[in-house]
Amino acid sequence: AQSVTQLDSQVPVFEEAPVELRCNYSSSVSVYLFWYVQYPNQGLQLLLKYLSGSTLVESINGFEAEFNKSQTSFHLRKPSVHISDTAEYFCAVKTSYDKVIFGPGTSLSVIP
Amino acid sequence: KAGVTQTPRYLIKTRGQQVTLSCSPISGHRSVSWYQQTPGQGLQFLFEYFSETQRNKGNFPGRFSGRQFSNSRSEMNVSTLELGDSALYLCASSLGGRGRSPLHFGNGTRLTVT
Repeated sequence: AQSVTQLDSQVPVFEEAPVELRCNYSSSVSVYLFWYVQYPNQGLQLLLKYLSGSTLVESINGFEAEFNKSQTSFHLRKPSVHISDTAEYFCAVKTSYDKVIFGPGTSLSVIP
Repeated sequence: KAGVTQTPRYLIKTRGQQVTLSCSPISGHRSVSWYQQTPGQGLQFLFEYFSETQRNKGNFPGRFSGRQFSNSRSEMNVSTLELGDSALYLCASSLGGRGRSPLHFGNGTRLTVT
C-alpha cells in the first residue's frame, strides 16, 4: 500500500524568502505524484503533477517540484513567496486504478 | 467548463439522523471520489465510483455509502449520524481510466452533527 509523509506540519516564512515543503512517499510500484493547495473554506486545487518524463515540474504561479525516485521524494519549492501563498499544501500519490492517498498537509504561513 | 459542484455547502444535523450529500462532476469526467477532511485525521478516502460502479473503498463503517448515476453525478449517504461525523466532505472528479488524470475538487459540504 502507498503512503505519504509530510514532515513539516507548519512552515512559517518571511515574504520574498524561499521555501521548501517536503514530501516523501512509500510505494512498491510506479506512482503518479501531485501537489494540491487548499485555501480557507475551499476545496483542494491542483498545483502541479508528475506523471512521467522530466523529473522537474513547474506550476504557473512559480512553484516547482522535483521527483527523486531514489529518495522517494517530491519536494515542493518556491524561490520567493508572497502573502497570497499562505495556505495548506497537500502532497498526494496514486498508482494505476488505485485511490489517491494524501499526506497530512503542511500549513504555510507567509509573514509580511 | 463548470467545475465540481457540491450541495449543500453547509448542513447541520442531529445525532442519529441521516444525511445525503450531492456531487456533480466536471462534464466528461467518469470518476467521482469522496473524502472526509477533519483537523485530526486529515483527508481520509471514503470511496470512488467509476461508470456507476464502486471501484475503491476506504476504511469507513457501513453507515457511509454512496452511489453514482448514469450521468456521473454522485451522492453519498451517512446513516445514524454520530458526533464524530462532523467534517468537511469533499467530492472530486477525474476522467478516470488508469489514473493519470488528476482529481478536481469541489468546495465541499461542511457537516455539523449536534
